[in-house]
Amino acid sequence: GIQVEQSPPDLILQEGANSTLRCNFSDSVNNLQWFHQNPWGQLINLFYIPSGTKQNGRLSATTVATERYSLLYISSSQTTDSGVYFCAVERVGYGNKLVFGAGTILRVKS
Amino acid sequence: DAMVIQNPRYQVTQFGKPVTLSCSQTLNHNVMYWYQQKSSQAPKLLFHYYDKDFNNEADTPDNFQSRRPNTSFCFLDIRSPGLGDAAMYLCATSRDGRGSYEQYFGPGTRLTVT
Repeated sequence: GIQVEQSPPDLILQEGANSTLRCNFSDSVNNLQWFHQNPWGQLINLFYIPSGTKQNGRLSATTVATERYSLLYISSSQTTDSGVYFCAVERVGYGNKLVFGAGTILRVKS
Repeated sequence: DAMVIQNPRYQVTQFGKPVTLSCSQTLNHNVMYWYQQKSSQAPKLLFHYYDKDFNNEADTPDNFQSRRPNTSFCFLDIRSPGLGDAAMYLCATSRDGRGSYEQYFGPGTRLTVT
């Protein structure tokens, strides 16, 4: 099956710092989504980004499908950004199935 | 607001006692999914419905069943829960599955097995 690798596995930031999270995947994908899982367990959609670049406030994401990676940028981090960030992909020809990476645990300290 | 709703948010059941988790959606999406997420792990797809067409993952245990009586509702039945079934269960939806569309998740049901 497709491999989805996220890095770093853990990240501690001081409030106000910037960070970049990476997602590498081993095969062509139709769909790539970034999620933030809050302390109560809910998965919050951040980006649907099979290719290209998108921005939403302090967050932005870029997917380079031909090179099989995606980046999530968090600028001016806040304590509420803490949680787990997941990248999930849908492999070409394997419709309707999201495969998740192991996640990046982010802790933002005040 | 259109959304995915899961009930209950927390469920405690006894070892071997059948339990049903429910999911409803107001997005009118064709596809509904059930994921299992164990502690400190990533969500893992159990099965999904494309309309009434049920699609089971090869490694989903037989202990897990699902029903989708209509577009809006989907149920996860665990026939004989074991301690290893304690997890967060996440329901998700997406539009027409023949394309590729964003999945939207409910808040989850955290299952404890005693």
